[in-house]
Amino acid sequence: DAKTTQPPSMDCAEGRAANLPCNHSTISGNEYVYWYRQIHSQGPQYIIHGLKNNETNEMASLIITEDRKSSTLILPHATLRDTAVYYCIVSPYTGTASKLTFGTGTRLQVTL
Amino acid sequence: DAMVIQNPRYQVTQFGKPVTLSCSQTLNHNVMYWYQQKSSQAPKLLFHYYDKDFNNEADTPDNFQSRRPNTSFCFLDIRSPGLGDAAMYLCATSRDVGGAKNIQYFGAGTRLSVL
Repeated sequence: DAKTTQPPSMDCAEGRAANLPCNHSTISGNEYVYWYRQIHSQGPQYIIHGLKNNETNEMASLIITEDRKSSTLILPHATLRDTAVYYCIVSPYTGTASKLTFGTGTRLQVTL
Repeated sequence: DAMVIQNPRYQVTQFGKPVTLSCSQTLNHNVMYWYQQKSSQAPKLLFHYYDKDFNNEADTPDNFQSRRPNTSFCFLDIRSPGLGDAAMYLCATSRDVGGAKNIQYFGAGTRLSVL
């Protein structure tokens, strides 16, 4: 399985953009990049995913480098409710399910 | 409107006493997953069902079993809980596999304490 590397923690001021980086230098051609977040004492929540093109939805934007070895999750206007652990996951297709192997993630603290 | 429902939210059991955690879904998804999350750690996949096909992770202890009697329900059975099994247990579902179909929806989890 491809592995990911994320900074353990980041701070962001409320209202500013939060840019969360992720390295996945051993990603394979058919592997997707997924981002999930986990707010304290809740189950993980899907944010966004991509294969090679940049993606945007109502929650965030995902920027994937051309060589696919790294990506950045962008929360355009962070709020206090975005304080959570953010997981970048590279998921292979395994035949019966695509596993999510969670790494240590980035703990994002949004402050006033 | 909860789509993946786990009951109970908190479960206390005694050392060695079998315990069952339950998960139900209203999404009609094919795949259901069970994860274990210990304190300050990331979730770890225990096993999953693709429809009725059970898929165990290689390092999941034999103490952990699962049942999926129908599409909507999935159970996690811990036959003889040890102190090391105290954790949050997360259930998730996905419509199918690959790309967008593999987006997983998680329940709120059941926090298991072993006394």
